[in-house]
Amino acid sequence: KAGVTQTPRYLIKTRGQQVTLSCSPISGHRSVSWYQQTPGQGLQFLFEYFSETQRNKGNFPGRFSGRQFSNSRSEMNVSTLELGDSALYLCASGTKGQETQYFGPGTRLLVL
Amino acid sequence: AQSVTQPDIHITVSEGASLELRCNYSYGATPYLFWYVQSPGQGLQLLLKYFSGDTLVQGIKGFEAEFKRSQSSFNLRKPSVHWSDAAEYFCAVGAPTNAGKSTFGDGTTLTVKP
Repeated sequence: KAGVTQTPRYLIKTRGQQVTLSCSPISGHRSVSWYQQTPGQGLQFLFEYFSETQRNKGNFPGRFSGRQFSNSRSEMNVSTLELGDSALYLCASGTKGQETQYFGPGTRLLVL
Repeated sequence: AQSVTQPDIHITVSEGASLELRCNYSYGATPYLFWYVQSPGQGLQLLLKYFSGDTLVQGIKGFEAEFKRSQSSFNLRKPSVHWSDAAEYFCAVGAPTNAGKSTFGDGTTLTVKP
């Protein structure tokens, strides 16, 4: 089975712009979680989607949003980018019970 | 609220020496516990997990971890470290009903001396 894929792998944006990141889960996985990783804050949970519904949300401002499609692919969007949004954004997919998460390689976002 | 503490930010060991990375968690009941490894610029790779049952769990790459409820710990061990083990290691806790919302420790960076 192919693993979790994330596109793009690298992205450079400027402050005020918006960005959309994509995640394709492992085939058969219906749960997708997103995490932000920064040197200062570590790995922080953004949100989780299951069967196109947001099941959990972390403590991030409303500029961070996401969605999941019927094929379980997920996108996350960040509007009005700030310098502090520079990070590695990791996506993880899991099975029905979500007992185990499998991570993608991440999208590295740099905001200038 | 669940939380994870990895007391050691950085550990250096010689190749061939044994390794133990510490992890302490806070959770109201028996959690799901995980160890992940991350190489620079890469995603997280699952090393092992504990859900229930035998408190000593075996993982990939020769790693094992022991769940100790009385100490709220889930330490990662390896009897003989290889240079390729140099990476950052993360301990994580998830709720049994929703491991999709895992809480991660700050990570321990492992350096391996030749």
